[in-house]
Amino acid sequence: GENVEQHPSTLSVQEGDSAVIKCTYSDSASNYFPWYKQELGKRPQLIIDIRSNVGEKKDQRIAVTLNKTAKHFSLHITETQPEDSAVYFCAAIRGWGGSNYKLTFGKGTLLTVNP
Amino acid sequence: DAGVTQSPTHLIKTRGQHVTLRCSPISGHKSVSWYQQVLGQGPQFIFQYYEKEERGRGNFPDRFSARQFPNYSSELNVNALLLGDSALYLCASSLGGQNTDTQYFGPGTRLTVL
Repeated sequence: GENVEQHPSTLSVQEGDSAVIKCTYSDSASNYFPWYKQELGKRPQLIIDIRSNVGEKKDQRIAVTLNKTAKHFSLHITETQPEDSAVYFCAAIRGWGGSNYKLTFGKGTLLTVNP
Repeated sequence: DAGVTQSPTHLIKTRGQHVTLRCSPISGHKSVSWYQQVLGQGPQFIFQYYEKEERGRGNFPDRFSARQFPNYSSELNVNALLLGDSALYLCASSLGGQNTDTQYFGPGTRLTVL
């Protein structure tokens, strides 16, 4: 089955610095890669996603890159702010077809942005 | 927001008991997924249902089962509870037509097994 490795498990940066979180996946059938942010005691919320036919996507201070050949994708947050502090999860999704749907999350990265 | 709702919020059970968790999707969403999130870990995919049909299943034992009703709400059932089933159970809904549809998570049900 799919295995998603996420690194680092914790990341501490100074406000204004950039943060990068990396994930690798194993199932070549995975074709959609969302990133979720989960604040303490709250539900996960989608922050950005990328499809397998796209190499990079950007939304303001957040960007995601995908290297299908190497099976890895990364989240980039620029100009970090204290409110960016949360746990970030990457995920890999395999598509429809009978009962083939499967979403696999990474183990998460606790990002702390110090003022 | 009129988002995904789950009930109950918290639940305490003892080993061997059975539990039923409920989820109501966002209006118009036809797909519901269930996840188990153990403290400090990422959510683990349990099931996805679309139009009352199972679309995917994670690596969970047969003690876990689910169903989706005509109004697209869903139940997750867990039989013969074990201590290791203690976790936050998250439900997520999506429009459902594509695997790239955004999943919106509910607040979760915190299950404690004693």
